[in-house]
Amino acid sequence: NAGVTQTPKFQVLKTGQSMTLQCAQDMNHEYMSWYRQDPGMGLRLIHYSVGAGITDQGEVPNGYNVSRSTTEDFPLRLLSAAPSQTSVYFCASSYSSGPGKETQYFGPGTRLLVL
Amino acid sequence: KNEVEQSPQNLTAQEGEFITINCSYSVGISALHWLQQHPGGGIVSLFMLSSGKKKHGRLIATINIQEKHSSLHITASHPRDSAVYICAVGGSNYKLTFGKGTLLTVNP
Repeated sequence: NAGVTQTPKFQVLKTGQSMTLQCAQDMNHEYMSWYRQDPGMGLRLIHYSVGAGITDQGEVPNGYNVSRSTTEDFPLRLLSAAPSQTSVYFCASSYSSGPGKETQYFGPGTRLLVL
Repeated sequence: KNEVEQSPQNLTAQEGEFITINCSYSVGISALHWLQQHPGGGIVSLFMLSSGKKKHGRLIATINIQEKHSSLHITASHPRDSAVYICAVGGSNYKLTFGKGTLLTVNP
């Protein structure tokens, strides 16, 4: 199993550009999430999905869109990049033994720099 | 919103020392998670706890639900244990809240 894969590993954007961060998992997990990690702050949830066709907002959703058309894929779209979106982005998938008991499997991360 | 506090923020130890990292949270939870982030950036789940204690190799995690507190212990620490250790709590809504992490450095 490849686990959770993310592409690209690193990206530089100019302010105003749009792009899609790809995330895929081959573990048949229902739950998938996108987080951003910034210096001095904990991981913060951007969007999450509890199954194909179902998505919801996390703590910091503004400026990002997601969709979940298949169990395997959960892309994150930046609509109009801003310097404040410079961060490391992690995708995670999980199975659950109940609410709050999701064991998360993380992708390797995407470093995004917005100029 | 649950507030998750970890201490210490930074910890330096000598190889072989016993290490303790603490995590406290403000609101009742369904489970607490400990994760490890290596210098290269990869994040791995270590433990998920609802009560009591769990052990895996030299790592031991404990939780006290009444006091809203958990500890991660590393026995006989080794330089390869150097990493950021992250505490996260889960409630009733499938969303985890993360602490800021503890940077552990183990010197040979």
